[in-house]
Amino acid sequence: KQEVTQIPAALSVPEGENLVLNCSFTDSAIYNLQWFRQDPGKGLTSLLLIQSSQREQTSGRLNASLDKSSGRSTLYIAASQPGDSATYLCALLRAGNMLTFGGGTRLMVKP
Amino acid sequence: DARVTQTPRHKVTEMGQEVTMRCQPILGHNTVFWYRQTMMQGLELLAYFRNRAPLDDSGMPKDRFSAEMPDATLATLKIQPSEPRDSAVYFCASEDDGGYNEQFFGPGTRLTVL
Repeated sequence: KQEVTQIPAALSVPEGENLVLNCSFTDSAIYNLQWFRQDPGKGLTSLLLIQSSQREQTSGRLNASLDKSSGRSTLYIAASQPGDSATYLCALLRAGNMLTFGGGTRLMVKP
Repeated sequence: DARVTQTPRHKVTEMGQEVTMRCQPILGHNTVFWYRQTMMQGLELLAYFRNRAPLDDSGMPKDRFSAEMPDATLATLKIQPSEPRDSAVYFCASEDDGGYNEQFFGPGTRLTVL
């Protein structure tokens, strides 16, 4: 059974800091990995998707990496802003269209 | 702009009542998912459809939950009878099979069963 762990569960940083969110998984037989953002009381917004054959994806200030051999993905946020405050979820797609989510990291960026 | 829509956004009901949640997937997306999010369990897959046919509903309590796709533009999730432990946020997501299996989520239905 695929287990997905996100550390830390919560993070508070001052504005302007670069930060890294971690996601680890137990089963490397995945099709892709998706990073989502969820604002309080809202749905999930897809940020980045990394295919199994890829090692990283970039969008603006966000960079996500994937290392299947070690069962890890990281989401790097450069020059954090208060508007980045949200919960960030990683999710792995495996056989049977099963998307398995981590517990999320609650990020607070203080002005 | 293309997005998944869900109705209602909020639902408060009493135990034993029937609840129906609706989802309109992104036009052209052939795969539709239902997820449930709770504080204790996080996000869990309940069921999903491809080309309107149910492919997996193993995450769903069969005795009270049912999911259908009457047509390509509408997916429904029904709970009958509802129980307090069903209180959660229910998300619908859709995916374009021709793409990278990227799932796009709706805003969710927040269900409270008293």
